Amino acid sequence: GAGVSQSPSNKVTEKGKDVELRCDPISGHTALYWYRQSLGQGLEFLIYFQGNSAPDKSGLPSDRFSAERTGGSVSTLTIQRTQQEDSAVYLCASSLKTFSGNTIYFGEGSWLTVV
Amino acid sequence: DQQVKQNSPSLSVQEGRISILNCDYTNSMFDYFLWYKKYPAEGPTFLISISSIKDKNEDGRFTVFLNKSAKHLSLHIVPSQPGDSAVYFCAASVSGSARQLTFGSGTQLTVLP
Repeated sequence: GAGVSQSPSNKVTEKGKDVELRCDPISGHTALYWYRQSLGQGLEFLIYFQGNSAPDKSGLPSDRFSAERTGGSVSTLTIQRTQQEDSAVYLCASSLKTFSGNTIYFGEGSWLTVV
Repeated sequence: DQQVKQNSPSLSVQEGRISILNCDYTNSMFDYFLWYKKYPAEGPTFLISISSIKDKNEDGRFTVFLNKSAKHLSLHIVPSQPGDSAVYFCAASVSGSARQLTFGSGTQLTVLP
């Protein structure tokens, strides 16, 4: 498809397990972002990749969270030893080189439930 | 500390009437403001934006107003249509940087036919 693709769309995992969430950005988009939305909260910035530059990890809530982007395209967000407070929708977005609000495109999100 | 606040979690409006969605912010460094619309099971999509050098931006049925002194912005939809029913997120950024993009918690708008 032409949009940002995320998988899985839904994931239920047991507390303490590791999960991986995948994002396939729009072809040609050099910038990739991860956000999450917990129940009743706004979208919370997690991490930002821009081309070959070092990622901006300032939004990652703990060292259990990590993300990588291979070959400047697909990104994987990994949550180790999941906790119940990690339950949220994880949204990936991509944009052309530099951010301009109307060129940031979101995927449909990965719904994570930690039980 | 929520820097962008949408104090109304929900709003219901009759079709054809005006919808007014409100957003307040606390960070005076914010200089670019956006509204996103989100349907269930879809990602947010960009709706309209405004720079801090303006106090109004209009796009068809959608108008965003910015009151910098009050640190308040609002989205007006006139006339409202049932297809406008969605969650609306207010967002703010510093100098157009996505790394600084801060979202509100959203307002569920329901337009009644």
